[in-house]
Amino acid sequence: GAVVSQHPSRVICKSGTSVKIECRSLDFQATTMFWYRQFPKQSLMLMATSNEGSKATYEQGVEKDKFLINHASLTLSTLTVTSAHPEDSSFYICSAISPQGRNNNEQFFGPGTRLTVL
Amino acid sequence: AQSVAQPEDQVNVAEGNPLTVKCTYSVSGNPYLFWYVQYPNRGLQFLLKYITGDNLVKGSYGFEAEFNKSQTSFHLKKPSALVSDSALYFCAVRLPLGGAGSYQLTFGKGTKLSVIP
Repeated sequence: GAVVSQHPSRVICKSGTSVKIECRSLDFQATTMFWYRQFPKQSLMLMATSNEGSKATYEQGVEKDKFLINHASLTLSTLTVTSAHPEDSSFYICSAISPQGRNNNEQFFGPGTRLTVL
Repeated sequence: AQSVAQPEDQVNVAEGNPLTVKCTYSVSGNPYLFWYVQYPNRGLQFLLKYITGDNLVKGSYGFEAEFNKSQTSFHLKKPSALVSDSALYFCAVRLPLGGAGSYQLTFGKGTKLSVIP
């Protein structure tokens, strides 16, 4: 199946700093990527839908100025958590849709990034 | 709006016994249904999906799921559980292509499966 990577896998930062998380589709071009957030023992909550070359679509309640998403190429989307605070500590997971006609546009998930804000 | 319910937070089963993880859904139209597994501090791994056709779907690692339209259920099953199956399992639903937001998955809250040696 298609492979999606995330970098870094784990990051610890100080409160007030910004952190960038990368999501890459390794063997296919992804016109659409999704960013999810998962709190401990909870389900995945969709944060935003990222489309290559256009602005991301954010879910209700997600601050677009705090969670900056850039999808500059067909294989890379980045999520930047700006001015991070301890409550932003979470597990962030991205997914990418495989090309139309392949796998019914199934989502393939990255391994996740554990963010800890001190 | 579509929704997914996983009524059990945790399922415990003895190794070698059959296991079932329950999932029911609510959606208008004919849904695409998925099961994913998540190991600690890892992303989601795809297990299986139902798009159309046979109601019994076979997937990875010996798992299978049965689509029941009348009961709007898509329970995950395995005939003989392994200790290594212990993980968090998520059911998800997606609408067929064509509608707004139709790529989006809606996840259940997850069920923690513990297989006891």
